[in-house]
Amino acid sequence: DIQMTQSPASLSASVGDRVTITCRASQSISYSLNWYQQKPGKAPKLLIYTASTLESGVPSRFSGSGSGTDFTLTISSLQPEDFATYYCQQSYRTSYTFGQGTKLEIK
Amino acid sequence: EVQLVESGGALVQPGGSLRLSCAYSGFSFSTYWMSWVRQAPGKGLEWVASISQDGSDKYYVDSVKGRFTISRDNAKNSLYLLMNSLRAEDTAVYYCARGGSAKGQFNCWGQGTLVTVSS
Repeated sequence: DIQMTQSPASLSASVGDRVTITCRASQSISYSLNWYQQKPGKAPKLLIYTASTLESGVPSRFSGSGSGTDFTLTISSLQPEDFATYYCQQSYRTSYTFGQGTKLEIK
Repeated sequence: EVQLVESGGALVQPGGSLRLSCAYSGFSFSTYWMSWVRQAPGKGLEWVASISQDGSDKYYVDSVKGRFTISRDNAKNSLYLLMNSLRAEDTAVYYCARGGSAKGQFNCWGQGTLVTVSS
């Protein structure tokens, strides 16, 4: 299976900050990388797919980049509603695997 | 509005069986891959199984192979997960999810249904 490793596991930041979360795959997955946001007690929400394509309705402050094994999710200016847990996920091949998550907390 | 609604979660004893259902509305169900993804309490997300549009292709995570069966009924707009030989480690919220532009993307999720395996 392809292992996905996110860093950091948790992150404290303030409203207005620029934040970057990284995700590394154990082997090349081309551009087959997706990012999800999950708030407590809620289902995950797709933010970005194929590494850099913004899902419809997602604010433009979210962006993704990378290819091969290294990927990043960037939030350009944190808003109060962005405090949540973020997961990367590879869709290159089954078993589809997720990173362990990055919990973004208010400083 | 696209909507996925899971049902069937319950408390079940180890070794028992359960069938989860997911009803959809608001999109052409038969044109999408569908999947189940689970989340153990306080843990991360784990993909469980996926099924193709016509049900001919099915994939499973190794830990459930031979125990779980994913199926769909396009005429009833429903997705199912039959879970046999349940173990404590299967305890989780189970989400159904719709595939995106690629089958392994999940661009629409239900609210989840809780399965608890305990004696």
